[in-house]
Amino acid sequence: IAGITQAPTSQILAAGRRMTLRCTQDMRHNAMYWYRQDLGLGLRLIHYSNTAGTTGKGEVPDGYSVSRANTDDFPLTLASAVPSQTSVYFCASSQKGDSGANVLTFGAGSRLTVL
Amino acid sequence: GQNIDQPTEMTATEGAIVQINCTYQTSGFNGLFWYQQHAGEAPTFLSYNVLDGLEEKGRFSSFLSRSKGYSYLLLKELQMKDSASYLCAVRDSNYQLIWGAGTKLIIKP
Repeated sequence: IAGITQAPTSQILAAGRRMTLRCTQDMRHNAMYWYRQDLGLGLRLIHYSNTAGTTGKGEVPDGYSVSRANTDDFPLTLASAVPSQTSVYFCASSQKGDSGANVLTFGAGSRLTVL
Repeated sequence: GQNIDQPTEMTATEGAIVQINCTYQTSGFNGLFWYQQHAGEAPTFLSYNVLDGLEEKGRFSSFLSRSKGYSYLLLKELQMKDSASYLCAVRDSNYQLIWGAGTKLIIKP
């Protein structure tokens, strides 16, 4: 693989179910991010990690959790899915947590529908 | 609050020039980014401005005026493949990215 891999690509989920979106990068980037993208809104940051072993809350963290056990993997878990979590989820990574251009590389996205 | 404004949609003709504007009000400023996103795909990086002025990269240029809280993306010699959404994002004083909703650019033959 080259870049960021997200799985699943698409998923329909019943409300109340637990769901984990997987994200793996092979670029050895130290910072990783989870965004959600909804029609008419800008990308909104859910959680981020500046380095392995650390995580932080973004703009819309409620109902989501993350872990960063190593550099490559950054899974996003919905403990009990609700319909308002229907969205397209993008995982991204960057070389540095801040400063410099800090260009983000995005995964292809995971389209989640909660019924 | 923090806010990024871009037009929702623009239409242009193949071979022409189009300018996509972005105005911002953020808590501090540490750079402005433009990303391109084709329908159903991931955003990809186009340009980065941190100082006032014009950055040129092939057919694409990006301008920044920090005093006016304003940027634009200029696309020249438009091609059909330029049909996409263009996302403006500003990095604030906490080094977090604030994203605009994006401008959908439609290119007509």
